[in-house]
Amino acid sequence: GAGVSQSPSNKVTEKGKDVELRCDPISGHTALYWYRQSLGQGLEFLIYFQGNSAPDKSGLPSDRFSAERTGGSVSTLTIQRTQQEDSAVYLCASSLFRRTGSEETQYFGPGTRLLVL
Amino acid sequence: DAKTTQPNSMESNEEEPVHLPCNHSTISGTDYIHWYRQLPSQGPEYVIHGLTSNVNNRMASLAIAEDRKSSTLILHRATLRDAAVYYCIPISNFGNEKLTFGTGTRLTIIP
Repeated sequence: GAGVSQSPSNKVTEKGKDVELRCDPISGHTALYWYRQSLGQGLEFLIYFQGNSAPDKSGLPSDRFSAERTGGSVSTLTIQRTQQEDSAVYLCASSLFRRTGSEETQYFGPGTRLLVL
Repeated sequence: DAKTTQPNSMESNEEEPVHLPCNHSTISGTDYIHWYRQLPSQGPEYVIHGLTSNVNNRMASLAIAEDRKSSTLILHRATLRDAAVYYCIPISNFGNEKLTFGTGTRLTIIP
């Protein structure tokens, strides 16, 4: 079946502009995560959606970052007034909601490479 | 969260076995040990996970120390496609959790 897809694959923008990044999770996956990865660094958690529950926004670095998930499926990550330090690869992942770590596997999309000039 | 320690880099010859170590001395008794890898210019992908017993799947084997303070990911016959950064991650048994990736081990395969 289809995996997690993200668009665009690459985005170049000017400092101060807003950008929207899209994630299509695997059908039937109720959990959706956004991470970002700066060059040579590990993953940094941003936000987590689970079904109709309030999202876990604890990883968002500033109020310029926001995300929504419509209809429990597609998600959009929005960065307002982009800064050069926002340049990174933004990764989306989805998983089936399971209550045990024995069943938890996250499936990642290919990422969106954002470059802020 | 349990802390993990992995070597920054390793090299292996193609078609040789590779043993990737991970120390997780502060792991909780109910944390599963997951391994992910990230190929160049791709998102991470799941490799294998286990709790106490050694585990095998089509990609790799996972050997877990009896005291669970360390584990070893085993690639039985490395190919060029296995060149990636490998991450070991303890994950709680109590539900979905954001993954915390350290810097992992960068594995280079020598043809």
